[in-house]
Amino acid sequence: DGGITQSPKYLFRKEGQNVTLSCEQNLNHDAMYWYRQDPGQGLRLIYYSQIVNDFQKGDIAEGYSVSREKKESFPLTVTSAQKNPTAFYLCASRRSSYNSPLHFGNGTRLTVT
Amino acid sequence: SQQGEEDPQALSIQEGENATMNCSYKTSINNLQWYRQNSGRGLVHLILIRSNEREKHSGRLRVTLDTSKKSSSLLITASRAADTASYFCATDAKTSYDKVIFGPGTSLSVIP
Repeated sequence: DGGITQSPKYLFRKEGQNVTLSCEQNLNHDAMYWYRQDPGQGLRLIYYSQIVNDFQKGDIAEGYSVSREKKESFPLTVTSAQKNPTAFYLCASRRSSYNSPLHFGNGTRLTVT
Repeated sequence: SQQGEEDPQALSIQEGENATMNCSYKTSINNLQWYRQNSGRGLVHLILIRSNEREKHSGRLRVTLDTSKKSSSLLITASRAADTASYFCATDAKTSYDKVIFGPGTSLSVIP
């Protein structure tokens, strides 16, 4: 079955450490996205990528970095510069047409102490 | 900011009643999308309505779009306990290709 896989489901890190969240899709989608969700809140866009080797900052990119070396993969690194990294992180993808919906993974819950 | 508000923030209804959620946005859009999220899970797409469409149906869901008022509504008819979830609208702005921005969402509780 095609879909988006985020791993791990739960991640725990000590403050000051960088951590990388994985996102893989086998839907052959061109565009991929990373969102952050805080408790009881909506989704805020961190980064998105429309094509391999290219990506754009979203509304809250500070303290995060991404890469898009392969069409299937869009890992997100939460750096030690991110002041409040504890959150639920969601990855999504869609076909290149802007009138197509997003497909989401099941998220990674990151806790930094 | 591209996105505006959704209201209500929370809605509690009895099973069988209709639920209406509203979404406002600020910029010109290509389309507006509605998603559902069960607690602790990823989002599931419900309906996408293009900027040149005014109404769209899918099963018990009805979405309207008023581009002159920059607003949309999602109606769930004959609600069921299984409809309990958070509902989000999202927009594709005309000026920011592929940048999809979400609203704060409405938390719906359907009481059996």
